Amino acid sequence: EVQLVESGGDLVQPGQSLRISCTTSGFSFVHYPMSWVRQAPGKGLEWVGFIRSKAYGGTAEYAASVKGRFTISRDDSKSIAYLEISSLKSEDSGIFYCGRESVGAIGDWGQGTLVTVSS
Amino acid sequence: QLVLTQSPSASASLGASVKLTCTLSSGHSTYGIAWHQQQPEKGPRYLMKFNSDGSHNRGDGIPDRFSGSSSGAEHYLTISSLQPEDEADYYCQTWGNDIRVFGGGTKLTVL
Repeated sequence: EVQLVESGGDLVQPGQSLRISCTTSGFSFVHYPMSWVRQAPGKGLEWVGFIRSKAYGGTAEYAASVKGRFTISRDDSKSIAYLEISSLKSEDSGIFYCGRESVGAIGDWGQGTLVTVSS
Repeated sequence: QLVLTQSPSASASLGASVKLTCTLSSGHSTYGIAWHQQQPEKGPRYLMKFNSDGSHNRGDGIPDRFSGSSSGAEHYLTISSLQPEDEADYYCQTWGNDIRVFGGGTKLTVL
C-alpha cells in the first residue's frame, strides 16, 4: 500500500525557516518525482514545486510565487522528500501536502501538515 | 501561460448526474488532465487522469460512477448517481515539463 506521511508542520514566527518532510512507503521511491502542494485556509490547492527522480537529474522546479524561498530535496536512501521554507511569511500559512507523481499527475497524496506563521 | 479554469460551484440532486468542466488555456488544448476530489476537512484524493494521447485511467477504488471525457480544450468530470459523500471540492490539474497547475476548484453541493 502506498503511503505518504507529512510531518514537521509547526507554529513559527515570520522570518524563520522550517523544513517539512514527506515519509513514504509501499513503492519504489527512487523512481518517482514528488510534488508539494499548499492550501491556504479556505482556499484552493496551489502547486509549489516538484523534484524529479535521480534518473531525470533529481532537479527541482518551483512555482514563481515561491521561487527563491522554497527548496525541495529528496533522500532516496530513506524514501523521504523534503520542503524547506525560508523567510516565512504569514501568507505561507496553510496545509502542505506531498504527492507522488505519475507522468505529471499527482496520483497519491499525503494527509498534510499544518504550517502556521504568526508572531 | 498554462492555466486551468473551473466554475466555482455546481449543484445537483441526490441520485442525479452532474458534469463538471475544466478548460485549458489557449495553446494548451492537448495537455493531459487529472481530477482530484477533496471532501470537507480531508486531504485531496486522486480520481483519474487523461493523457494527451487519449489514454486514461481511474484511481484505485474510485467507483465507475466517476467518468471523464474531453472535447478540445474542455475536460469534463461526470459523476452519476450522486451520493451524499460526493459533496466535495473538485480540482483539475495539468502539467508541463517544469510546471504543474491546479484549477481553482469547483464546490459541488448535493441537494
